[in-house]
Amino acid sequence: GNSVTQMEGPVTLSEEAFLTINCTYTATGYPSLFWYVQYPGEGLQLLLKATKADDKGSNKGFEATYRKETTSFHLEKGSVQVSDSAVYFCALRSGGSNYKLTFGKGTLLTVNP
Amino acid sequence: DSGVTQTPKHLITATGQRVTLRCSPRSGDLSVYWYQQSLDQGLQFLIQYYNGEERAKGNILERFSAQQFPDLHSELNLSSLELGDSALYFCASSVRQGNGELFFGEGSRLTVL
Repeated sequence: GNSVTQMEGPVTLSEEAFLTINCTYTATGYPSLFWYVQYPGEGLQLLLKATKADDKGSNKGFEATYRKETTSFHLEKGSVQVSDSAVYFCALRSGGSNYKLTFGKGTLLTVNP
Repeated sequence: DSGVTQTPKHLITATGQRVTLRCSPRSGDLSVYWYQQSLDQGLQFLIQYYNGEERAKGNILERFSAQQFPDLHSELNLSSLELGDSALYFCASSVRQGNGELFFGEGSRLTVL
């Protein structure tokens, strides 16, 4: 079955530090990959996505590249801000008629001033 | 604001009881998804509806049921509640089913005592 593995958190960084959150997946077919973010007390929001191999998703300074050869979709940001403190979820949707998203367990990021 | 409305935001009840969680999707969205978020299990997909019809089922217990009404709002019914049902229940909606771009509500936090 489909699964998503994220690096264990929590991750604590200082403002302007470089961020990487690792995500690897197992899926049948050709999945689409997503990063969602959950700010404190809120629901999840789509951060970025990639639908095929070598696609790069980007939004708000965050980037992730769909690497089929390593089955990975690592999230990166060059310079984090305090406002980026949140829980980040990697997710996949496999092809065909399976409509559900499979999420990783989430990684808590705390950015200190 | 995602446009997805969930009620109630918080609910405290006793074991053995039954509760109903309500979700109003974004205007125009035909697909509704229910997810359960707990510390140990992470985000678990429960069920999905599209324009009133059940389209996908995940790890939903037999004690739980859901439906989507003609006005597209959805309800998740949880019965014979157990302590382990305590969790945050999210509803999400999307314009099209299966593209992975979900809009989440803020969740209903259920505490079973």
